[in-house]
Amino acid sequence: KNQVEQSPQSLIILEGKNCTLQCNYTVSPFSNLRWYKQDTGRGPVSLTIMTFSENTKSNGRYTATLDADTKQSSLHITASQLSDSASYICVVSSTSGTYKYIFGTGTRLKVLA
Amino acid sequence: GAVVSQHPSRVICKSGTSVKIECRSLDFQATTMFWYRQFPKQSLMLMATSNEGSKATYEQGVEKDKFLINHASLTLSTLTVTSAHPEDSSFYICSARGWEGSTDTQYFGPGTRLTVL
Repeated sequence: KNQVEQSPQSLIILEGKNCTLQCNYTVSPFSNLRWYKQDTGRGPVSLTIMTFSENTKSNGRYTATLDADTKQSSLHITASQLSDSASYICVVSSTSGTYKYIFGTGTRLKVLA
Repeated sequence: GAVVSQHPSRVICKSGTSVKIECRSLDFQATTMFWYRQFPKQSLMLMATSNEGSKATYEQGVEKDKFLINHASLTLSTLTVTSAHPEDSSFYICSARGWEGSTDTQYFGPGTRLTVL
């Protein structure tokens, strides 16, 4: 069964600290993996997209990694800011016939001053 | 990057009325759009896949007569919640399928908050 699991479910950190969010998936065949940031009451915004051959991709203070062998991805946030408080969603797409997008349950991050 | 808009951003209606939500891809053509529903503190739940010029494909458990989807053009899909009831109150998000280089991706709209009294 295609699944995407994220951990932790929620996380509280102090401003300026780093943190790492995890995404494990059992999706086959794999096409690509994306991390989205969703502010409360808004639509998700793409942070990174990685295909099978990519191990890491950065977008400012956000760095995503992908290990296609272990089917794990992480999103590292450096020097967190209050505006990083949001839900972070891992989405894996599969190319079994038609494209399917499997959503993780998200990690709710709160950055405190 | 590609932009997807939704209108309205918020709507409050009385029970029994119908509500239409529009989803537009502003700077690209989208043959495929998706409609999601999101409850508080939960992830997005796919309701249906909308293909331009054809009938929408609904996920299991989603009533197609309740949630009418029309994708009449390459830049516009609409979701109509018919005879809305308080349990239909939710955050509705659309997305349009596009491409970043050779990689397919989804561009999400800002969402519509529906409150049914």
